[in-house]
Amino acid sequence: GEDVEQSLFLSVREGDSSVINCTYTDSSSTYLYWYKQEPGAGLQLLTYIFSNMDMKQDQRLTVLLNKKDKHLSLRIADTQTGDSAIYFCAESSGSSNTGKLIFGQGTTLQVKP
Amino acid sequence: NAGVTQTPKFQVLKTGQSMTLQCAQDMNHNSMYWYRQDPGMGLRLIYYSASEGTTDKGEVPNGYNVSRLNKREFSLRLESAAPSQTSVYFCATNPPNRAGELFFGEGSRLTVL
Repeated sequence: GEDVEQSLFLSVREGDSSVINCTYTDSSSTYLYWYKQEPGAGLQLLTYIFSNMDMKQDQRLTVLLNKKDKHLSLRIADTQTGDSAIYFCAESSGSSNTGKLIFGQGTTLQVKP
Repeated sequence: NAGVTQTPKFQVLKTGQSMTLQCAQDMNHNSMYWYRQDPGMGLRLIYYSASEGTTDKGEVPNGYNVSRLNKREFSLRLESAAPSQTSVYFCATNPPNRAGELFFGEGSRLTVL
């Protein structure tokens, strides 16, 4: 079945770049998403990439997609303490574009001052 | 503009008790979702409602029922709570033209003893 895998924890120093990686199994997914969850809050959409793109840049965020390897990454440049949160990778369930998403386990990003 | 509002925020139940989690959105969206979040497992879809009057099962529907009361409200009911239902529950909604852009409530933390 569909599955999304992420590493569970990443620690970086303030000012460094962070790279969070994700692998997925459903090659028919139309969109792939990155969500951010701050402590005690719901998830917020950070960015997304359409499956026919290789890269998307949005200010400090860069998303890279390797469809052949089914690998997605999120790079945060100049990481700040306010970026400390859990980051979830998600794919749309099947080829339809709905809110039925398959989420990874989440990567906890710790930013040390 | 509150977005997605969930009640209660915290609840402790004994095994076998029943309760209903309430969700309301003021974004005038058609679709609404219930997800559960468990440590190390990401979010999993319990039920969803594509429009008023329709509901469908997600990945983990067993032990739950839902009601789409009207366009604004989507409730999740546990008829006979079990310890395995200890989790954080999130309600979400999405706009039709950006279906993977889920707007989440702040969550309801449920503990079943």
